Amino acid sequence: DADVTQTPRNRITKTGKRIMLECSQTKGHDRMYWYRQDPGLGLRLIYYSFDVKDINKGEISDGYSVSRQAQAKFSLSLESAIPNQTALYFCATSEGQGAANTEAFFGQGTRLTVV
Amino acid sequence: AQTVTQSQPEMSVQEAETVTLSCTYDTSESDYYLFWYKQPPSRQMILVIRQEAYKQQNATENRFSVNFQKAAKSFSLKISDSQLGDAAMYFCACYSGGYQKVTFGTGTKLQVIP
Repeated sequence: DADVTQTPRNRITKTGKRIMLECSQTKGHDRMYWYRQDPGLGLRLIYYSFDVKDINKGEISDGYSVSRQAQAKFSLSLESAIPNQTALYFCATSEGQGAANTEAFFGQGTRLTVV
Repeated sequence: AQTVTQSQPEMSVQEAETVTLSCTYDTSESDYYLFWYKQPPSRQMILVIRQEAYKQQNATENRFSVNFQKAAKSFSLKISDSQLGDAAMYFCACYSGGYQKVTFGTGTKLQVIP
């Protein structure tokens, strides 16, 4: 089983609908992240969480919200989806600071299409 | 803040040849780490190589090596003996202790020609 699991893998939704992307991890990491990938723009940080009670906005948080239900679970919601939120979404985890702990471990990604 | 710039949107290399992907970064932190990630068509993000900024020696992982020029804030990836399986999108990334987040470049799509 994958260490970082995202559901769903692919999703098509209509403009205005609420949608939740889920992420769970078995690595025991405190830090979790949501990124969005668009062609030509790379990966951009939406939200991040250093522990269950610590949630922070990233560079492109408008139109998104998150919930850290447990150390292992971090979900991303689009309250009212719009077409320019069509993208590939990644959840990632990391252990923390220090040379060996900064590597990010990624889920398989969720391809979201808003029509 | 920190930024990562990849100026080559696409590159190609003949199988068995060597290719170098460029990356420049900017951070005001002294404690930082640099990464190259590979994203094949499966879209899974895979760590290729990591460099600690405090280490002068360039990191090497089998056919992959980096040229870390700290003063120039340059971090290029060299792939030797290119293989068809190396075809992917490659992302350069930077993590700094003060910023505590990873910033990614825009990616370079590598094509390997048989």
